[in-house]
Amino acid sequence: NAGVMQNPRHLVRRRGQEARLRCSPMKGHSHVYWYRQLPEEGLKFMVYLQKENIIDESGMPKERFSAEFPKEGPSILRIQQVVRGDSAAYFCASSPAGANEQYFGPGTRLTVT
Amino acid sequence: AQSVTQLDSHVSVSEGTPVLLRCNYSSSYSPSLFWYVQHPNKGLQLLLKYTSAATLVKGINGFEAEFKKSETSFHLTKPSAHMSDAAEYFCVVTFTGTASKLTFGTGTRLQVTL
Repeated sequence: NAGVMQNPRHLVRRRGQEARLRCSPMKGHSHVYWYRQLPEEGLKFMVYLQKENIIDESGMPKERFSAEFPKEGPSILRIQQVVRGDSAAYFCASSPAGANEQYFGPGTRLTVT
Repeated sequence: AQSVTQLDSHVSVSEGTPVLLRCNYSSSYSPSLFWYVQHPNKGLQLLLKYTSAATLVKGINGFEAEFKKSETSFHLTKPSAHMSDAAEYFCVVTFTGTASKLTFGTGTRLQVTL
């Protein structure tokens, strides 16, 4: 059973560009979570999605950030007009329905120049 | 509301000696608690979990943790450290019984010396 897949692993964007981060959950998992880790800090929750639904977006910045988990295909975290402060590692996790333990992908390290 | 406090940002032990990483939690509800490990530039791996069953939880790689409600603690221990244990360790809390966001501690960096 393949684990949580994230791509790209590393992403470099210039200020003002858009960043798209992809996450494919583990097979059989219907819940996806996105977290952000700033340098030397723990992970901070951003958003929790199920297929075609945003369940909890209390950790998402109000502007420029959006997430989706379509019926088909991976979950996407989209950051528009990136700024240097968006540089971080973004981790995706998934869990099966009814479970509260989450399995993490390897992360996407975003660098904004 | 829920939170975790990891009492040490950095712990250094000699190889072969015991490891103790401390974590205290705060939760309005019956919590589920986890320890995750993160090796440099890697993702997070689940070490162990507590979900209101046995209070002493055994995990992978010889780690275990004990849930103490009276002390609101969930400390991680290992009898004998190995060089490969050097990593960042996160104590995590969430609600029991339902899928929900995880709340992370700030992490403890474990250094293992010869």
